[in-house]
Amino acid sequence: EAEVAQSPRYKITEKSQAVAFWCDPISGHATLYWYRQILGQGPELLVQFQDESVVDDSQLPKDRFSAERLKGVDSTLKIQPAELGDSAMYLCASTQWGANEAFFGQGTRLTVV
Amino acid sequence: GESVGLHLPTLSVQEGDNSIINCAYSNSASDYFIWYKQESGKGPQFIIDIRSNMDKRQGQRVTVLLNKTVKHLSLQIAATQPGDSAVYFCAEIPANQAGTALIFGKGTTLSVSS
Repeated sequence: EAEVAQSPRYKITEKSQAVAFWCDPISGHATLYWYRQILGQGPELLVQFQDESVVDDSQLPKDRFSAERLKGVDSTLKIQPAELGDSAMYLCASTQWGANEAFFGQGTRLTVV
Repeated sequence: GESVGLHLPTLSVQEGDNSIINCAYSNSASDYFIWYKQESGKGPQFIIDIRSNMDKRQGQRVTVLLNKTVKHLSLQIAATQPGDSAVYFCAEIPANQAGTALIFGKGTTLSVSS
């Protein structure tokens, strides 16, 4: 069964350091999302890609966060510098173009110390 | 079975009981809704969806009910099993915006004891 792949599963970093997460969506899924989920809350959208283009990054803290999907397939989310408040689960999801059901990866659990 | 009229963050039931998890959504223009199940340390997993032109949809052991008048969504799980223990989220998409990111509601933690 096709899955959204994310790595690493867990990441511990010191504040002010840079950190990066990787996502490989389900093959053929044109739309890719990065969500952030703080413990005890629902996922919140950070950025949405359609192929290689950003569709919505209104909730992305652009002073420290960046995301790219250069070839319209896999994607990287970067935080520099990391802050204590960035500790959360970072989830990647993908959908077929025009579809509603999003398929999620296992997420990357980030702890900033 | 255990029933919750308003959204509560936790729900505890006995194995074999029926569970009802409630969700209030925010946008009256939303026309597509999904229930996700999220187990500890994992990403959300699709359970069932419903469009706004329906008021009920059934799956295997699960039923989703939609009340557009009061903007309320519920998930019913029949014969709840220990493996159903997880956090459950409802999510919505505004009308005519297929491909738009899901907006998630507050989760409910379901605990099933045997």
